[in-house]
Amino acid sequence: DTAVSQTPKYLVTQMGNDKSIKCEQNLGHDTMYWYKQDSKKFLKIMFSYNNKELIINETVPNRFSPKSPDKAHLNLHINSLELGDSAVYFCASSQDLASSQRTPYEQYFGPGTRLTVT
Amino acid sequence: GENVEQHPSTLSVQEGDSAVIKCTYSDSASNYFPWYKQELGKRPQLIIDIRSNVGEKKDQRIAVTLNKTAKHFSLHITETQPEDSAVYFCAASDTGGFKTIFGAGTRLFVKA
Repeated sequence: DTAVSQTPKYLVTQMGNDKSIKCEQNLGHDTMYWYKQDSKKFLKIMFSYNNKELIINETVPNRFSPKSPDKAHLNLHINSLELGDSAVYFCASSQDLASSQRTPYEQYFGPGTRLTVT
Repeated sequence: GENVEQHPSTLSVQEGDSAVIKCTYSDSASNYFPWYKQELGKRPQLIIDIRSNVGEKKDQRIAVTLNKTAKHFSLHITETQPEDSAVYFCAASDTGGFKTIFGAGTRLFVKA
């Protein structure tokens, strides 16, 4: 009955490789996010998707490409991995009222994916 | 750009004492202010939130205050317990919540 799940939990790879992280939520939420948390614990938003549409792209290098096949999934593909990409990546989701009553709600985070680039 | 500043970065208190964490935000359009707790190796989880039309909210030992004019909001934890030890993040969010800016986090240590 996990609300927001991510796979894999750990990912160790070499520079230059391409990797993907998958995220799924079973809460029926409309909005999903990707965050990057670096070694100093800074939590920085990367992308927001609402009803499968990209809403926010926070100056993330185009090596990072999110894909939302449906409202319950938001995957993150990373090309040409670099050392600086090493971090914990969190997926999250939240509910959203109809656009006429947009009100932000609590975000539910996944367990995180620890990416290590060597 | 939008920014959320959080202080202190580290806070150490004795069990039973109170802890206060303060945040300021820059974007006037922010109208939702959640606080998240992240235990070591775990995911961030919401502990309390406040909306811009409310000045204060309390939930048992935790309370949050908001001063929209000054763009300040604070987290107050009373009667701290060792299990309160964690990293606490404040955040500010725009309408729709699509863009949430997090503070840098406060590492709280509660000594037994």
